[in-house]
Amino acid sequence: KNQVEQSPQSLIILEGKNCTLQCNYTVSPFSNLRWYKQDTGRGPVSLTIMTFSENTKSNGRYTATLDADTKQSSLHITASQLSDSASYICVVSALGQAGTALIFGKGTTLSVSS
Amino acid sequence: ETGVTQTPRHLVMGMTNKKSLKCEQHLGHNAMYWYKQSAKKPLELMFVYNFKEQTENNSVPSRFSPECPNSSHLFLHLHTLQPEDSALYLCASSHKSREQFFGPGTRLTVL
Repeated sequence: KNQVEQSPQSLIILEGKNCTLQCNYTVSPFSNLRWYKQDTGRGPVSLTIMTFSENTKSNGRYTATLDADTKQSSLHITASQLSDSASYICVVSALGQAGTALIFGKGTTLSVSS
Repeated sequence: ETGVTQTPRHLVMGMTNKKSLKCEQHLGHNAMYWYKQSAKKPLELMFVYNFKEQTENNSVPSRFSPECPNSSHLFLHLHTLQPEDSALYLCASSHKSREQFFGPGTRLTVL
């Protein structure tokens, strides 16, 4: 069964600190992996997309890694800011005969406090 | 985010009411989606439309009725909902199966 598991479920950090969010998946056949940021009361917004051959990708203070062998991804946030408080959702695309299916994780809720 | 708009942003309705959610995309995409997001759960895909044709219906109860009059507009008609239907309803659009762009969602509360 295609699944995406994220950890931790929630995280509280102080402003300026770094943090790492984890995503483990069992999705086949794998197409790509995206990290989305969802602010409270808003829709998700894509941060990064990674394909099978990519190990790391950065978007400002966000750096995503992908290990296709172990089927793990991480999202590292450096020098956190209050505006980083949001839910971070890992989404894996599976490419099948019927087309592309997206498998969503439950998300990690990050709270950055001053 | 202004590429995909949703109205209303908040909706409170009784179980006997009939209401509709509206989604509009200004990105020239040909695929539109309805998702349900409940607390502590992953996003659940409800319906997919490609070029105005429904291509996916993930066993959604008939009290949810989608309508896609053209590639830019998508509606979700609601009637005789249950309290457990309370959730954030997200609309998204994409060009074919590429990146999906989400709207801000409609927060629905069923009393």
